[in-house]
Amino acid sequence: GQNIDQPTEMTATEGAIVQINCTYQTSGFNGLFWYQQHAGEAPTFLSYNVLDGLEEKGRFSSFLSRSKGYSYLLLKELQMKDSASYLCAAADSNYQLIWGAGTKLIIKP
Amino acid sequence: IAGITQAPTSQILAAGRRMTLRCTQDMRHNAMYWYRQDLGLGLRLIHYSNTAGTTGKGEVPDGYSVSRANTDDFPLTLASAVPSQTSVYFCASSQLGGSTGELFFGEGSRLTVL
Repeated sequence: GQNIDQPTEMTATEGAIVQINCTYQTSGFNGLFWYQQHAGEAPTFLSYNVLDGLEEKGRFSSFLSRSKGYSYLLLKELQMKDSASYLCAAADSNYQLIWGAGTKLIIKP
Repeated sequence: IAGITQAPTSQILAAGRRMTLRCTQDMRHNAMYWYRQDLGLGLRLIHYSNTAGTTGKGEVPDGYSVSRANTDDFPLTLASAVPSQTSVYFCASSQLGGSTGELFFGEGSRLTVL
């Protein structure tokens, strides 16, 4: 079956670095997405990886290992506004997204 | 501002009633989607449409129907609402064949069925 696993909740300190991991199993693979979702709001796109390696975009970076079925989202210089849920989603062979349940990130001052 | 508009933003309705959630996009995306989001679960796909005139079933289609008469509109209908359909519903669109195929989401419709 198809499955996405990510931690339910993580806590980090303002100014620090946090890594949110995601493992996936899909029928075929056409890329890995990360979305951010603030409470009561819609998800917004953060990153897309289809090739192995690290993609850096400002304070946020995303890594993919296709052979391991593994990705992580790295958030640097954490700010209070980064408190949100982070959703991992993998695109299968039909380009349909399989979603994880999301990781709630709590930032403490 | 370009994007996706959903209506209503919130609704309470009695079990057994018929309800249509509206979704309109102005980005001319070919694909549109309806998801439901429940606490502790990932987004679950209800129905999708890869192009105007075609629709497909997602992971949890029972009790829901959709239509895609044109590019911009993708309404979701609950023919006879049941309490288990209490959820937050998100409409999304994407350009299949685009660089990333990222989804753009509407603000959501919070539905409570009593």
